[in-house]
Amino acid sequence: GAVVSQHPSRVICKSGTSVKIECRSLDFQATTMFWYRQFPKQSLMLMATSNEGSKATYEQGVEKDKFLINHASLTLSTLTVTSAHPEDSSFYICSAKTGEPYNSPLHFGNGTRLTVT
Amino acid sequence: AQSVTQPDIHITVSEGASLELRCNYSYGATPYLFWYVQSPGQGLQLLLKYFSGDTLVQGIKGFEAEFKRSQSSFNLRKPSVHWSDAAEYFCAVCGAWDAGNNRKLIWGLGTSLAVNP
Repeated sequence: GAVVSQHPSRVICKSGTSVKIECRSLDFQATTMFWYRQFPKQSLMLMATSNEGSKATYEQGVEKDKFLINHASLTLSTLTVTSAHPEDSSFYICSAKTGEPYNSPLHFGNGTRLTVT
Repeated sequence: AQSVTQPDIHITVSEGASLELRCNYSYGATPYLFWYVQSPGQGLQLLLKYFSGDTLVQGIKGFEAEFKRSQSSFNLRKPSVHWSDAAEYFCAVCGAWDAGNNRKLIWGLGTSLAVNP
């Protein structure tokens, strides 16, 4: 149980275009989802916390207008990288909690490798 | 300040040898601790967690970890490593409440494990 599906797994786009990444909880309802960015050989960097039905909470230094997050349902959150640039190339990972309590483990998607040319 | 330190960036062990990955945390209250594993190009999978009770916790894939409050440590161990254990390992602690009523995970920088045949 507690499967998180992330799509696409890989995407290559041209500079200036926008890319949407989907994160779905397949067998549970996720009131909270988290979006991470991971640079090669480095740890996870939390970008934002996505709560169903409300605006996402962005971490300091993350541009909310560039990384649009929509958590419209209890099973789907999307991250849209707008006007992508080569420096946005990275590995993006979503995760979701199965609910309360607050210390319940995160379940991760398999990540999306974004390459901006 | 809350933090997680994984002192070893990279470890190489021989297949069949024992393994210990170190994790030290800094957190004022009772910590909720996690170990995750990440295979190349993949998301993260929960190995085990500690919330309370028995300080020696068992996880999946034959891993265990011991919580030592006096040493602020939560080291991960495995008696006999398999080649398939080669991956990146992340230790994390559940942080304090934030303004958005969430408790985020605070991540270590990870330890990369290589297994020699």
